[in-house]
Amino acid sequence: GAVVSQHPSRVICKSGTSVKIECRSLDFQATTMFWYRQFPKKSLMLMATSNEGSKATYEQGVEKDKFLINHASLTLSTLTVTSAHPEDSSFYICSARDPPREEQYFGPGTRLTVT
Amino acid sequence: AQSVTQPDIHITVSEGASLELRCNYSYGATPYLFWYVQSPGQGLQLLLKYFSGDTLVQGIKGFEAEFKRSQSSFNLRKPSVHWSDAAEYFCAVAKAAGNKLTFGGGTRVLVKP
Repeated sequence: GAVVSQHPSRVICKSGTSVKIECRSLDFQATTMFWYRQFPKKSLMLMATSNEGSKATYEQGVEKDKFLINHASLTLSTLTVTSAHPEDSSFYICSARDPPREEQYFGPGTRLTVT
Repeated sequence: AQSVTQPDIHITVSEGASLELRCNYSYGATPYLFWYVQSPGQGLQLLLKYFSGDTLVQGIKGFEAEFKRSQSSFNLRKPSVHWSDAAEYFCAVAKAAGNKLTFGGGTRVLVKP
């Protein structure tokens, strides 16, 4: 159990376009999901905390108008990178919190390349 | 604010040899500590965690870690490394179980045949 999926696993988009990444908890309800960003050969940096039914909480320095997060249901959170630029190219990883077990489970990540 | 330091960026170890990865944290209260492993292009897999109790924690894949409050450390060990252990390892800290994680910079482990 406790599986988290992300879709797509890999996406290439052109500068100026928007791209949506989905994070789903497949076998549990996640009231909280987290979005991380990982630069090549670097660690993971938390971007935002996504709470079902409310606005996301963004970390300092993360542009909330650029990285739109929606957590519309207990099993789905989406991250939309708006007006993407090459510097947005990165590996984006989500995690979902399973309240009964008080643990986070990570998705497999989405590699975004902006050309 | 909490922070995590992994002093070793790269470690190369021979297959069958022991492995120790260092992790130091900075946090005012009792931390919740984690070790994750990441294979190339993949997500993170939890190896083990420490919340309270016995300071020596056993995890999956033969890994263990020891919490030392006096040294603010949570080092990861494995007695005998397998080639499949080659990966990136991340230490992380949280204020509470299920809370957002602060990650260390990671240690890349290379395994020589």
